[in-house]
Amino acid sequence: QQQVKQSPQSLIVQKGGISIINCAYENTAFDYFPWYQQFPGKGPALLIAIRPDVSEKKEGRFTISFNKSAKQFSLHIMDSQPGDSATYFCAASRATGKLIFGQGTTLQVKP
Amino acid sequence: GAGVSQSPSNKVTEKGKDVELRCDPISGHTALYWYRQRLGQGLEFLIYFQGNSAPDKSGLPSDRFSAERTGESVSTLTIQRTQQEDSAVYLCASSLRNGNTEAFFGQGTRLTVV
Repeated sequence: QQQVKQSPQSLIVQKGGISIINCAYENTAFDYFPWYQQFPGKGPALLIAIRPDVSEKKEGRFTISFNKSAKQFSLHIMDSQPGDSATYFCAASRATGKLIFGQGTTLQVKP
Repeated sequence: GAGVSQSPSNKVTEKGKDVELRCDPISGHTALYWYRQRLGQGLEFLIYFQGNSAPDKSGLPSDRFSAERTGESVSTLTIQRTQQEDSAVYLCASSLRNGNTEAFFGQGTRLTVV
C-alpha cells in the first residue's frame, strides 16, 4: 500500500512532441504528489507538485493531471525539448510521512 | 549553506570496512531523508527523520546500516562491514516541515566497495 508505480520505464520522444509519464498509488491517505527531475550526476530537483483538491496543475510546458478516483496521476511535457532529456520520478506522501518515489522514467528527446 | 551538502562526494572502500557518510541539511529544515540509488535505478528509501519524532527506519536494508541526526542539523549514515552490493549513490534530502513540502536533494555520495 506504500508503493507508487510508475510507467513507462523509458520513453523516446521527438523534439516538439508530448511526453507522458504515468503513476499509480494505493494509499488514499497520500495528499501530496510531486514530480522530480534528475540529470546525470545530480540529485533530483522538484519540477512540479499537486495536491488532491485539484485535477490539473500547469507550469509552463509541464502539466500534472490527477485522477483521485482512479488513484492515478501523470506528467505531461508539451513541446518536448532535448534539454528535457532526464530521469523523471513521481512521488507521493502524506503530512506525517515520508516521500515515496516511483521507479523512474528515463526520457530521451531526439532533435 | 545554500543547499544540502553531502560529503564525501566519492568514497572507495574495501569490502568489510565501515564507512560514514555525512549530510548537512538546509538550515531550518526539520525533515531529513536518506535514499539509495543504484546505477540506473530508482530512489530506494532508507530512513526519515522528522523533528524530534522517532525516525522512520523502515527502509534500512540490514542491521549493518544505521543513521543518526543531531537535533535538526547534521546527519550521518553509517554502513558497517561494507559489501559490494552496497555500492551506490547515497542521496540525502531535507525539507522545511514534513513529507508534504518540497524536498531538496544533495549531490549524493558515490560509494564504491571493492
